Amino acid sequence: DVKVTQSSRYLVKRTGEKVFLECVQDMDHENMFWYRQDPGLGLRLIYFSYDVKMKEKGDIPEGYSVSREKKERFSLILESASTNQTSMYLCASSYGTVNSNQPQHFGDGTRLSIL
Amino acid sequence: GNSVTQMEGPVTLSEEAFLTINCTYTATGYPSLFWYVQYPGEGLQLLLKATKADDKGSNKGFEATYRKETTSFHLEKGSVQVSDSAVYFCALNGNKLVFGAGTILRVKS
Repeated sequence: DVKVTQSSRYLVKRTGEKVFLECVQDMDHENMFWYRQDPGLGLRLIYFSYDVKMKEKGDIPEGYSVSREKKERFSLILESASTNQTSMYLCASSYGTVNSNQPQHFGDGTRLSIL
Repeated sequence: GNSVTQMEGPVTLSEEAFLTINCTYTATGYPSLFWYVQYPGEGLQLLLKATKADDKGSNKGFEATYRKETTSFHLEKGSVQVSDSAVYFCALNGNKLVFGAGTILRVKS
Protein backbone atom coordinates (compact mmCIF):
# COMPACT_ATOMS: atom_id res chain seq x y z
CA ASP A 1 0.00 0.00 0.00
CA VAL A 2 1.06 3.56 -0.69
CA LYS A 3 2.09 5.40 2.41
CA VAL A 4 2.05 9.17 2.60
CA THR A 5 3.37 10.37 5.93
CA GLN A 6 3.00 13.88 7.28
CA SER A 7 5.43 14.76 10.03
CA SER A 8 2.93 16.17 12.55
CA ARG A 9 -0.75 15.57 13.25
CA TYR A 10 -1.14 18.74 15.32
CA LEU A 11 0.98 21.87 15.34
CA VAL A 12 0.62 25.17 17.19
CA LYS A 13 2.70 28.17 16.11
CA ARG A 14 2.73 31.90 16.65
CA THR A 15 2.01 34.72 14.22
CA GLY A 16 5.11 35.69 12.26
CA GLU A 17 6.92 32.37 12.75
CA LYS A 18 8.35 30.45 9.81
CA VAL A 19 6.59 27.08 9.71
CA PHE A 20 7.66 23.90 7.94
CA LEU A 21 5.27 21.05 7.13
CA GLU A 22 6.93 17.89 5.89
CA CYS A 23 5.53 15.10 3.74
CA VAL A 24 7.15 11.84 2.65
CA GLN A 25 5.82 9.19 0.26
CA ASP A 26 7.25 5.72 -0.20
CA MET A 27 5.98 4.72 -3.66
CA ASP A 28 8.32 6.62 -5.97
CA HIS A 29 5.46 8.82 -7.21
CA GLU A 30 6.35 11.64 -9.56
CA ASN A 31 3.69 14.05 -8.36
CA MET A 32 3.15 15.56 -4.94
CA PHE A 33 0.57 18.06 -3.78
CA TRP A 34 -0.26 20.31 -0.84
CA TYR A 35 -3.88 21.22 -0.07
CA ARG A 36 -5.61 23.03 2.71
CA GLN A 37 -9.02 21.87 3.89
CA ASP A 38 -11.51 24.30 5.41
CA PRO A 39 -15.16 23.65 6.34
CA GLY A 40 -17.52 24.40 3.47
CA LEU A 41 -14.67 25.01 1.03
CA GLY A 42 -13.49 21.47 0.40
CA LEU A 43 -9.85 21.06 -0.55
CA ARG A 44 -7.94 23.86 -2.22
CA LEU A 45 -4.65 23.29 -3.97
CA ILE A 46 -1.74 25.35 -2.67
CA TYR A 47 1.21 24.02 -4.70
CA PHE A 48 2.16 20.88 -6.55
CA SER A 49 5.30 19.33 -7.94
CA TYR A 50 5.69 16.91 -10.83
CA ASP A 51 9.40 16.28 -10.45
CA VAL A 52 12.34 16.95 -8.18
CA LYS A 53 13.07 20.68 -7.91
CA MET A 54 9.97 21.47 -9.99
CA LYS A 55 6.98 23.30 -8.53
CA GLU A 56 3.78 24.87 -9.78
CA LYS A 57 1.38 27.24 -8.09
CA GLY A 58 -2.06 25.97 -7.29
CA ASP A 59 -5.16 28.04 -6.59
CA ILE A 60 -4.06 29.69 -3.34
CA PRO A 61 -0.24 29.97 -3.24
CA GLU A 62 -0.04 33.35 -1.51
CA GLY A 63 1.84 33.21 1.77
CA TYR A 64 3.27 29.75 1.04
CA SER A 65 6.30 28.27 -0.64
CA VAL A 66 7.42 24.68 -1.24
CA SER A 67 10.58 22.67 -1.61
CA ARG A 68 11.22 19.35 -3.33
CA GLU A 69 14.89 18.44 -3.10
CA LYS A 70 14.26 14.67 -3.17
CA LYS A 71 11.58 12.72 -5.01
CA GLU A 72 10.03 11.29 -1.88
CA ARG A 73 9.83 14.50 0.14
CA PHE A 74 7.72 17.63 -0.39
CA SER A 75 7.83 20.46 2.15
CA LEU A 76 5.34 23.27 2.61
CA ILE A 77 6.69 26.49 4.10
CA LEU A 78 4.71 29.31 5.67
CA GLU A 79 7.17 32.18 5.40
CA SER A 80 5.50 34.32 8.09
CA ALA A 81 2.54 32.56 9.63
CA SER A 82 -0.73 34.45 10.00
CA THR A 83 -3.94 33.54 11.79
CA ASN A 84 -5.81 33.05 8.51
CA GLN A 85 -3.49 30.14 7.77
CA THR A 86 -5.00 28.14 10.63
CA SER A 87 -6.32 25.08 8.80
CA MET A 88 -5.99 21.38 8.08
CA TYR A 89 -3.16 20.73 5.61
CA LEU A 90 -3.18 17.60 3.47
CA CYS A 91 -0.34 16.20 1.40
CA ALA A 92 -0.94 13.83 -1.51
CA SER A 93 1.04 11.99 -4.15
CA SER A 94 0.24 10.32 -7.45
CA TYR A 95 1.78 8.36 -10.26
CA GLY A 96 2.04 9.39 -13.90
CA THR A 97 1.25 12.75 -15.43
CA VAL A 98 -0.51 15.31 -13.26
CA ASN A 99 -3.69 15.27 -15.36
CA SER A 100 -3.94 11.49 -15.66
CA ASN A 101 -6.74 9.38 -14.20
CA GLN A 102 -4.44 7.98 -11.54
CA PRO A 103 -5.82 8.64 -8.06
CA GLN A 104 -4.05 10.75 -5.49
CA HIS A 105 -2.99 9.14 -2.20
CA PHE A 106 -3.33 11.29 0.89
CA GLY A 107 -1.61 11.59 4.23
CA ASP A 108 -3.62 11.89 7.45
CA GLY A 109 -3.26 15.65 7.58
CA THR A 110 -1.67 18.24 9.86
CA ARG A 111 -4.00 20.44 11.86
CA LEU A 112 -2.14 23.73 12.17
CA SER A 113 -3.18 26.47 14.58
CA ILE A 114 -1.61 29.92 14.37
CA LEU A 115 -2.03 31.96 17.54
CA GLY B 1 -12.73 26.82 -15.22
CA ASN B 2 -13.59 23.35 -13.98
CA SER B 3 -15.83 23.06 -10.92
CA VAL B 4 -17.71 20.51 -8.84
CA THR B 5 -20.94 21.07 -6.90
CA GLN B 6 -22.10 18.66 -4.21
CA MET B 7 -25.29 18.56 -2.21
CA GLU B 8 -24.91 20.25 1.13
CA GLY B 9 -24.95 18.19 4.29
CA PRO B 10 -25.01 16.92 6.76
CA VAL B 11 -27.02 13.95 5.55
CA THR B 12 -28.40 11.89 8.43
CA LEU B 13 -29.75 8.39 7.74
CA SER B 14 -30.75 5.34 9.72
CA GLU B 15 -28.82 2.13 9.22
CA GLU B 16 -29.88 0.18 6.11
CA ALA B 17 -31.37 3.27 4.44
CA PHE B 18 -30.67 4.13 0.79
CA LEU B 19 -28.06 6.80 0.18
CA THR B 20 -27.74 9.31 -2.65
CA ILE B 21 -25.23 12.15 -2.61
CA ASN B 22 -25.61 14.39 -5.64
CA CYS B 23 -22.62 15.68 -7.58
CA THR B 24 -22.62 17.77 -10.74
CA TYR B 25 -19.65 19.19 -12.56
CA THR B 26 -18.60 21.80 -15.09
CA ALA B 27 -15.60 20.96 -17.22
CA THR B 28 -14.02 21.34 -20.60
CA GLY B 29 -12.95 18.19 -22.36
CA TYR B 30 -13.41 14.75 -20.85
CA PRO B 31 -12.28 14.68 -17.24
CA SER B 32 -12.02 11.62 -15.01
CA LEU B 33 -14.41 11.65 -12.04
CA PHE B 34 -13.74 10.43 -8.51
CA TRP B 35 -15.37 9.96 -5.15
CA TYR B 36 -13.08 10.21 -2.13
CA VAL B 37 -14.03 9.44 1.47
CA GLN B 38 -12.55 10.92 4.65
CA TYR B 39 -13.15 9.00 7.88
CA PRO B 40 -12.80 10.92 11.16
CA GLY B 41 -9.20 11.83 11.93
CA GLU B 42 -7.86 10.53 8.64
CA GLY B 43 -6.86 11.80 5.23
CA LEU B 44 -8.85 11.22 2.06
CA GLN B 45 -8.90 7.84 0.38
CA LEU B 46 -10.18 6.94 -3.05
CA LEU B 47 -13.61 5.30 -2.96
CA LEU B 48 -14.29 4.85 -6.68
CA LYS B 49 -13.62 6.42 -10.06
CA ALA B 50 -14.88 6.57 -13.65
CA THR B 51 -12.77 7.69 -16.56
CA LYS B 52 -15.26 8.08 -19.43
CA ALA B 53 -18.94 8.65 -20.12
CA ASP B 54 -21.31 5.85 -19.00
CA ASP B 55 -18.58 4.20 -16.91
CA LYS B 56 -19.80 2.96 -13.54
CA GLY B 57 -17.39 3.01 -10.64
CA SER B 58 -18.12 0.76 -7.67
CA ASN B 59 -16.50 -0.19 -4.37
CA LYS B 60 -17.68 -1.36 -0.91
CA GLY B 61 -21.33 -1.30 -2.06
CA PHE B 62 -21.08 2.28 -3.35
CA GLU B 63 -21.72 3.08 -7.01
CA ALA B 64 -21.59 6.14 -9.26
CA THR B 65 -22.18 6.47 -13.01
CA TYR B 66 -20.47 9.08 -15.20
CA ARG B 67 -23.38 10.84 -16.94
CA LYS B 68 -22.09 13.22 -19.57
CA GLU B 69 -25.55 14.34 -20.72
CA THR B 70 -26.45 15.58 -17.24
CA THR B 71 -22.84 16.32 -16.15
CA SER B 72 -23.43 14.30 -13.00
CA PHE B 73 -21.70 11.64 -10.93
CA HIS B 74 -24.11 10.87 -8.08
CA LEU B 75 -22.97 8.50 -5.33
CA GLU B 76 -25.39 5.76 -4.25
CA LYS B 77 -25.47 2.90 -1.78
CA GLY B 78 -28.39 0.58 -1.25
CA SER B 79 -27.99 -0.01 2.48
CA VAL B 80 -25.74 2.21 4.61
CA GLN B 81 -23.99 1.14 7.79
CA VAL B 82 -22.86 3.13 10.83
CA SER B 83 -19.28 2.59 9.64
CA ASP B 84 -20.06 4.59 6.47
CA SER B 85 -20.26 7.79 8.55
CA ALA B 86 -17.65 10.06 6.98
CA VAL B 87 -17.19 13.05 4.69
CA TYR B 88 -17.57 12.31 0.97
CA PHE B 89 -15.87 14.40 -1.71
CA CYS B 90 -16.66 14.40 -5.40
CA ALA B 91 -13.72 15.41 -7.62
CA LEU B 92 -12.79 15.74 -11.26
CA ASN B 93 -9.40 15.59 -12.91
CA GLY B 94 -8.97 17.73 -15.97
CA ASN B 95 -5.61 19.44 -15.85
CA LYS B 96 -5.66 19.17 -12.06
CA LEU B 97 -7.86 17.65 -9.38
CA VAL B 98 -10.82 19.87 -8.40
CA PHE B 99 -12.87 18.94 -5.31
CA GLY B 100 -16.40 19.65 -4.25
CA ALA B 101 -17.00 21.11 -0.78
CA GLY B 102 -17.69 17.69 0.75
CA THR B 103 -20.86 16.13 2.21
CA ILE B 104 -20.99 14.90 5.79
CA LEU B 105 -22.83 11.60 6.16
CA ARG B 106 -24.06 10.48 9.58
CA VAL B 107 -25.60 7.04 9.94
CA LYS B 108 -27.55 6.22 13.12
CA SER B 109 -27.99 2.71 14.47
